[in-house]
Amino acid sequence: HLQLQESGPGLVKPSETLSLTCTVSGGSIRSTSYYWGWIRQPPGKGLEWIGSIYYNVGTYFNPSLKSRVIISIDTSKNQFSLKLTSVTAADTAIYYCARVSRGSYSFFDSWGQGTLVSVSS
Amino acid sequence: QTVVTQEPSFSVSPGGTVTLTCALSSGSLSTTNYPSWYQLTPGQAPRTLIYNTSTRSSAVPDRFSGSILGNKAALTITGAQPDDESEYYCVMSMGSGIWVFGGGTKLTVL
Repeated sequence: HLQLQESGPGLVKPSETLSLTCTVSGGSIRSTSYYWGWIRQPPGKGLEWIGSIYYNVGTYFNPSLKSRVIISIDTSKNQFSLKLTSVTAADTAIYYCARVSRGSYSFFDSWGQGTLVSVSS
Repeated sequence: QTVVTQEPSFSVSPGGTVTLTCALSSGSLSTTNYPSWYQLTPGQAPRTLIYNTSTRSSAVPDRFSGSILGNKAALTITGAQPDDESEYYCVMSMGSGIWVFGGGTKLTVL
């Protein structure tokens, strides 16, 4: 049974870098049948796709966040990570990691519980 | 950038039927947008309901169904239950690895 778990600091100062990790258990992050993504939900707002990473293929980002986002994979730990630079209060949100099914069609088929990150001094 | 629009809120009576929709701000909806639907309940992981327009995810009750209505993706709940009170989000694939979520619909069951 696949499980995804986000982890990282719950509080980040403005202008600093937000760093989160998603640990995948019950499945391999190297699988070519899936790729991996980050999504967030600011308080009182809707879901926003941040970006995705395909193992051994590359990364894709929301154009509105592209200049500040880095997503990487650590196969030795079966984890993938998000870094969001130069954060402001607008980056306060619940951050979710998710697995995306590839193939003839794609969709987000498994999600983590989410972790709240607040940006404040 | 393409915007995906959903009704901000909807209300349905227990046992009633409701259809939520999801529209692209530009262009026609295509099967290659692979519309999918998710239920978001505070404190819980998002739940995948429908993918590839109309395929129910595993363990999702058959009162949830997906379709295309005109130029919109649609999620229909037939026989709404109190537990269905939640937020519902659609997401569209824009190609080239890009995804866009709708603004979400807050569904009230009363």
